[in-house]
Amino acid sequence: AQSVAQPEDQVNVAEGNPLTVKCTYSVSGNPYLFWYVQYPNRGLQFLLKYITGDNLVKGSYGFEAEFNKSQTSFHLKKPSALVSDSALYFCAISGNTPLVFGKGTRLSVIA
Amino acid sequence: GAVVSQHPSRVICKSGTSVKIECRSLDFQATTMFWYRQFPKQSLMLMATSNEGSKATYEQGVEKDKFLINHASLTLSTLTVTSAHPEDSSFYICSARVRVGGASDTQYFGPGTRLTVL
Repeated sequence: AQSVAQPEDQVNVAEGNPLTVKCTYSVSGNPYLFWYVQYPNRGLQFLLKYITGDNLVKGSYGFEAEFNKSQTSFHLKKPSALVSDSALYFCAISGNTPLVFGKGTRLSVIA
Repeated sequence: GAVVSQHPSRVICKSGTSVKIECRSLDFQATTMFWYRQFPKQSLMLMATSNEGSKATYEQGVEKDKFLINHASLTLSTLTVTSAHPEDSSFYICSARVRVGGASDTQYFGPGTRLTVL
């Protein structure tokens, strides 16, 4: 079975500082990993995905994620956080099944 | 990017009535659509997967007679909550993907429908 874990319920960061939202995964075979963002009372917006190739994936709104096979991680990063980045972030994995989501991490960027 | 719409965005109904939620892929053909349910401050729970022209596949614990899913075309899927009860109140989100079995393909999500059953 495949799964992802987001160990932090909440991440707080000051505006302008770098941010990291953590995700680890478990899968047999090659993983397809995704990051989505959800704003209040809205659906999910796709940020980026890792399929194969370069371990550093660049996505929307300045976000990027690093795939680390040895640590089975896919952490989401941004060099300089904005207040508008405050939202709920989901890591997800797919394989033989539809997307399986982590529990989500709430990011708060403080001005 | 690909756009998925949902209608209505919000619905309030009386207990015992049925509610239909529409999900449309606006600028691509979705051979596969998914329906999720999200409780407050929780993650998304997959309810069912539907491939165009086929019967939906429901996840364990989801009542197929209560949550009727129809995927009649490559751009439209509907979820009907039959005989709704207050415990069905939730945020329902649909998702669409281009290919059947395209595990590496991106799933695009609709904006969600907030259902409140009184």
